[in-house]
Amino acid sequence: NAGVMQNPRHLVRRRGQEARLRCSPMKGHSHVYWYRQLPEEGLKFMVYLQKENIIDESGMPKERFSAEFPKEGPSILRIQQVVRGDSAAYFCASSLNIRGMNTEAFFGQGTRLTVV
Amino acid sequence: AQTVTQSQPEMSVQEAETVTLSCTYDTSESNYYLFWYKQPPSRQMILVIRQEAYKQQNATENRFSVNFQKAAKSFSLKISDSQLGDTAMYFCAFMNHTSGTYKYIFGTGTRLKVLA
Repeated sequence: NAGVMQNPRHLVRRRGQEARLRCSPMKGHSHVYWYRQLPEEGLKFMVYLQKENIIDESGMPKERFSAEFPKEGPSILRIQQVVRGDSAAYFCASSLNIRGMNTEAFFGQGTRLTVV
Repeated sequence: AQTVTQSQPEMSVQEAETVTLSCTYDTSESNYYLFWYKQPPSRQMILVIRQEAYKQQNATENRFSVNFQKAAKSFSLKISDSQLGDTAMYFCAFMNHTSGTYKYIFGTGTRLKVLA
């Protein structure tokens, strides 16, 4: 019974490159969330997606960041032209929706992005 | 806007003793969930305990229990018979499901060290 799977666990990018972070939700979960954790801070909400839909992206920076959750395959968080300030741990979480209500979210182990 | 405050950046406790971690939150909503998550050095976010705001009874999970004071907007975590494996960051989190987004608002965390 695999949990939420994120890859890679560690990602190093040079300034200006693109970073792609992948998240496979738990089996049967159709709702995905992305959070960012800066050093010594709590997790900050970025975006909430259902299959093929972005429901809430109020926490996403307006530029360079995008997220998708296609009908098939993992959810992708994409950061274009990375800068040093993007260095952080990025967590994905997934949940079920039962009778219109989301269950609690289960978190992956995160991807630590380092921009050099 | 909802906020979650953890006023104890670091705490320590002797093995087998009891420790209480504080959390307060601010919201105008009446229906919501509260959580405590544990984050060990592996970075995995592990759900420790959850509380539905409409339930007056405090949640309990083995050695972990909460003191939920809805009027005071307080949600403290008590760890009894502390074990070395309890050493971790602990995050308090709030989730309001009525908005339809189910996003979690996290506190800044308390670093707990259990001493042998």
